[in-house]
Amino acid sequence: EPEVTQTPSHQVTQMGQEVILRCVPISNHLYFYWYRQILGQKVEFLVSFYNNEISEKSEIFDDQFSVERPDGSNFTLKIRSTKLEDSAMYFCASRGGEKLFFGSGTQLSVL
Amino acid sequence: DQQVKQNSPSLSVQEGRISILNCDYTNSMFDYFLWYKKYPAEGPTFLISISSIKDKNEDGRFTVFLNKSAKHLSLHIVPSQPGDSAVYFCAALSGSARQLTFGSGTQLTVLP
Repeated sequence: EPEVTQTPSHQVTQMGQEVILRCVPISNHLYFYWYRQILGQKVEFLVSFYNNEISEKSEIFDDQFSVERPDGSNFTLKIRSTKLEDSAMYFCASRGGEKLFFGSGTQLSVL
Repeated sequence: DQQVKQNSPSLSVQEGRISILNCDYTNSMFDYFLWYKKYPAEGPTFLISISSIKDKNEDGRFTVFLNKSAKHLSLHIVPSQPGDSAVYFCAALSGSARQLTFGSGTQLTVLP
C-alpha cells in the first residue's frame, strides 16, 4: 500500500540553525500538508500546498517557515532559524479524495 | 479556539465490550469528518470517515455516527480488542485546501 515517507525520523539542532524536513508524498496525490504536534498538545495545521504554491497557511507558519517541492517527488519544510519552541513532531500528509494520509513524522529537538 | 473538541482525554474499556469515543465541533463549515488512530512515535492512521450528508458510516468493527443538529459525532468500536489501545483523534475538513482541524485526542485503553 502506498505511504507517505518522512526523513529523518529524528533531528536534533541548535537554536538558530536551519533545518530541512523531507517528505515523499503518495505519488498520485496533488495536495500536500505539514502539521506539527508539540508534546502533550493537539496536532496543528501548518500549511497546505497545491500546484507548486501554498494554498493555505496557519498563524504558526510565519516567515521563518517555507515549503518547497524541489522535484517531482519530494516535499520539504524548511525552518530558517530554529527556536526552542519549534521542538515538536512534524507530520507530512498528502490527500487522496477527502482522506489525508500521514507520514510517521520527524521528531525535531531544538537545544 | 477549539473548533473540534474531545472532552474525554482517556477511556478504559474491557476487551469484548463497546468503546464509544465522542467529539463535538463548533464550525458549521465542516463538511467531512474523520477519525484517526495514533500510536506513540507514529503518524496518525486513517480509520473511518463520514460526510456531513450522512448520519452513519460503518466499516467492520468501527461505526461513526454524526448528529449535525447537535454538532456531535461518535466512534463506536465493537467488540473492542487490546490492539485498539491507542490515541484516537477526531478531525474535520474545511476550506478550499481541505485542511484538517484535529481534536485533542482520547487515549483508549482496552483491558484484556
